[in-house]
Amino acid sequence: NAGVTQTPKFRILKIGQSMTLQCTQDMNHNYMYWYRQDPGMGLKLIYYSVGAGITDKGEVPNGYNVSRSTTEDFPLRLELAAPSQTSVYFCASSYSGAGLIHEQYFGPGTRLTVT
Amino acid sequence: AQSVTQPDIHITVSEGASLELRCNYSYGATPYLFWYVQSPGQGLQLLLKYFSGDTLVQGIKGFEAEFKRSQSSFNLRKPSVHWSDAAEYFCAVGVKTSYDKVIFGPGTSLSVIP
Repeated sequence: NAGVTQTPKFRILKIGQSMTLQCTQDMNHNYMYWYRQDPGMGLKLIYYSVGAGITDKGEVPNGYNVSRSTTEDFPLRLELAAPSQTSVYFCASSYSGAGLIHEQYFGPGTRLTVT
Repeated sequence: AQSVTQPDIHITVSEGASLELRCNYSYGATPYLFWYVQSPGQGLQLLLKYFSGDTLVQGIKGFEAEFKRSQSSFNLRKPSVHWSDAAEYFCAVGVKTSYDKVIFGPGTSLSVIP
C-alpha cells in the first residue's frame, strides 16, 4: 500500500496563477480531507469529502475548489493564487464506520509559495 | 465550540529524560482523542488514540497518554526520550457532526539535547 500520495512536493506560483494539487489514496477510505498548515496554527480544514461525488466546505474554503469523482482521488484546485495561500497543504483520508471516528492517514504534503 | 489547546509551543528536553506534553480540549460529550507526530518535512503520523475504556492508552514508539475527564486533558508522556523523538506533536479531538470532524491543536515542537 502506498497510502496517501500527493503531488507535487513543492511549487512556486505567481500571483493570479492557478494550479491543482493532486491527492490519491489506495486504502478504499470513504473520507478524504484537505488541510493547510501555517506556522503555530495547527491544521485548518479546507474541504472534505464523505464519498465519491460528495464534498463540502471546511473552515477555510475561500480561494479553493475540490472534486471527488472517484473514491481514490481528491484534487484541490487553487484559482487566482494569492500570497495568503502560501502554506503547506496536506491531504488525509480515513475510514468511516461502526459509529466511530477513525484516525486519519496523511500524505507527505505540498509546500506552496505564492509570490 | 470545540477546541484544543496545547499550552507549550516549544519544549526542550535532554536525551534520556522523561517527557510530558500537555493537551486540553473543550467538548461537551465524550471525545475521541488523538496524538499525532510530524517529523520535519513529513506528514502527520498517528501515535495513539482514545475512544473509550481504559483511560491510559499505549501508542507506538513508547508513548502513552492519559485521559482525565475531570481536567479535560489528554497529556502525552514518554519515560525516556530519544534524539529521534524531536518533532512536532499535535493533539486532536474528534467530534461527530454531519461528518467526522477532527480539530487539531496548534502543536508543540520538541527539541532533544544530546
